[in-house]
Amino acid sequence: GEDVEQSLFLSVREGDSSVINCTYTDSSSTYLYWYKQEPGAGLQLLTYIFSNMDMKQDQRLTVLLNKKDKHLSLRIADTQTGDSAIYFCARRNNAGNMLTFGGGTRLMVKP
Amino acid sequence: EAGVAQSPRYKIIEKRQSVAFWCNPISGHATLYWYQQILGQGPKLLIQFQNNGVVDDSQLPKDRFSAERLKGVDSTLKIQPAKLEDSAVYLCASSSSLEWGYTFGSGTRLTVV
Repeated sequence: GEDVEQSLFLSVREGDSSVINCTYTDSSSTYLYWYKQEPGAGLQLLTYIFSNMDMKQDQRLTVLLNKKDKHLSLRIADTQTGDSAIYFCARRNNAGNMLTFGGGTRLMVKP
Repeated sequence: EAGVAQSPRYKIIEKRQSVAFWCNPISGHATLYWYQQILGQGPKLLIQFQNNGVVDDSQLPKDRFSAERLKGVDSTLKIQPAKLEDSAVYLCASSSSLEWGYTFGSGTRLTVV
């Protein structure tokens, strides 16, 4: 399978929480990232987590890392219509410091 | 600080033509990356530079793609000749060894017809 995998699509109602999931295969990953991409725009870094952490919270964003299961999630609290975008999970490898991306999850927020 | 600059923003060419993209990274960032993002997919690394040396170009289709970073600052990515499947957004990113983050430019959207 792919190195970094994400589900394709998530739909939530405004005000609900969104949870976007990501799995990866390489246990040597040092940092894991979440990027947001709006239509026609570049990649905006949302947050990151170091591989020795379990959780990181930043305002409405909560990142959970289960290193044993190689599972990363991004929770967005009180999701707004402006959160509609594609969210990419990425891992940084131990050697060359390159990023490997998942295929992206399209989040649709309904009013 | 200024972000990663890329130009042109859009480019439409016919197959078998040549095209070049330019990237100016964040000042002081030693590492520069070129990624290809095909519609509906995540970005895939094409080439990584550390200063003016190539760290990883294993995913670069070297029969048609080339890249250089002669003075360790700006970089150009060239495709010659282009194929229809090269239609994608080409993203440039830079990073510093002192930081954990990567900053991406807005990308160049290439359409090959």
